[in-house]
Amino acid sequence: AQSVTQPDIHITVSEGASLELRCNYSYGATPYLFWYVQSPGQGLQLLLKYFSGDTLVQGIKGFEAEFKRSQSSFNLRKPSVHWSDAAEYFCAVGTYNNNDMRFGAGTRLTVKP
Amino acid sequence: KAGVTQTPRYLIKTRGQQVTLSCSPISGHRSVSWYQQTPGQGLQFLFEYFSETQRNKGNFPGRFSGRQFSNSRSEMNVSTLELGDSALYLCASSPAGPGANVLTFGAGSRLTVL
Repeated sequence: AQSVTQPDIHITVSEGASLELRCNYSYGATPYLFWYVQSPGQGLQLLLKYFSGDTLVQGIKGFEAEFKRSQSSFNLRKPSVHWSDAAEYFCAVGTYNNNDMRFGAGTRLTVKP
Repeated sequence: KAGVTQTPRYLIKTRGQQVTLSCSPISGHRSVSWYQQTPGQGLQFLFEYFSETQRNKGNFPGRFSGRQFSNSRSEMNVSTLELGDSALYLCASSPAGPGANVLTFGAGSRLTVL
């Protein structure tokens, strides 16, 4: 069964600093990987996804993620964080044509001025 | 294009009552999935409906049920509410075919059980 681990519950970065959020997955076949962001009181917004092909994927809001099969990782990065990026970030893994996705526990990002 | 609409956004119920939550998917999306989000358990898959049929089901008791109508709108129902059912219930829609796994979430319905 697939599962996702986000090792960092809470991360604080200064505005303008770079960001990397970690995600490790467990899945026997080729995973479908996602990063979502959730602001307080809101639903989840898709940042980016990886299905196949180029292992470096670009998303919205300047985010990117790199799929590393050998490390079972799909880490999210942003070169320069803005105060508006403060939110909770979820990594998720799914399979083709099945919306029973497994989400990580989330990483809460705080941005210091 | 309108997003996924969930109603009501907030509701308070007491133990033993039942509740019905509604979800209107993005126009043209035929799949609707429901997730429960709690601080302790995180995001958990409840069920998915496609063309009025339940396609997948998570590990929840039978008190949790759902349905989908011919216009793809979906409802979920929780009967005999328990305190532990307090949660944010998220609905997500996705298209059929290519992109089927790309979920667009609504803002959620926050249920408080007293």
